Amino acid sequence: DTAVSQTPKYLVTQMGNDKSIKCEQNLGHDTMYWYKQDSKKFLKIMFSYNNKELIINETVPNRFSPKSPDKAHLNLHINSLELGDSAVYFCASSQAGRGRRETQYFGPGTRLLVL
Amino acid sequence: DAKTTQPNSMESNEEEPVHLPCNHSTISGTDYIHWYRQLPSQGPEYVIHGLTSNVNNRMASLAIAEDRKSSTLILHRATLRDAAVYYCILKNTGTASKLTFGTGTRLQVTL
Repeated sequence: DTAVSQTPKYLVTQMGNDKSIKCEQNLGHDTMYWYKQDSKKFLKIMFSYNNKELIINETVPNRFSPKSPDKAHLNLHINSLELGDSAVYFCASSQAGRGRRETQYFGPGTRLLVL
Repeated sequence: DAKTTQPNSMESNEEEPVHLPCNHSTISGTDYIHWYRQLPSQGPEYVIHGLTSNVNNRMASLAIAEDRKSSTLILHRATLRDAAVYYCILKNTGTASKLTFGTGTRLQVTL
């Protein structure tokens, strides 16, 4: 059984389009994250939700809007896509409350290419 | 967040032990040391974490210096499947925890 899954795996689209990426976890965790890995392979946190509440928003443009319908899902909607949005987007989840010992489980990534 | 420094790349022969170093000279007394790895075309994967004592699990061992200013991830017998980028990360947050990834060490394993 896949612990953290993302759809789609690949996404190729034109500049200016709006697209969504979905993430689901079946680990029973209460915290979910979106990370972005750019072409230079730097991995950076974008958002984090705990119990459907936004708790981390790392100066991401307003074109990116996360939505958490329930604890098991965290979707990412991107408006007016730009070339610089091309990257691999990773979803992750963890169980809050373990603080510094908390470990995160990552999905396989969604490879977004904006043409 | 306290910073970590790792070599850009390392090489190992298959079946040999690998020691991946990490320097964290500004670590605070309550920072945990976490290691993650990212296999090619996959998401990062948790490897191990520790605070002061050395730790072992089925994937690896973590040796932490007595002054905690450095640590070493030990893969006891490297296999081709261990070829990945290994990240050493310090964590000292509450519930709003995030992982701050550096550039990591790219491990190449050869036959």
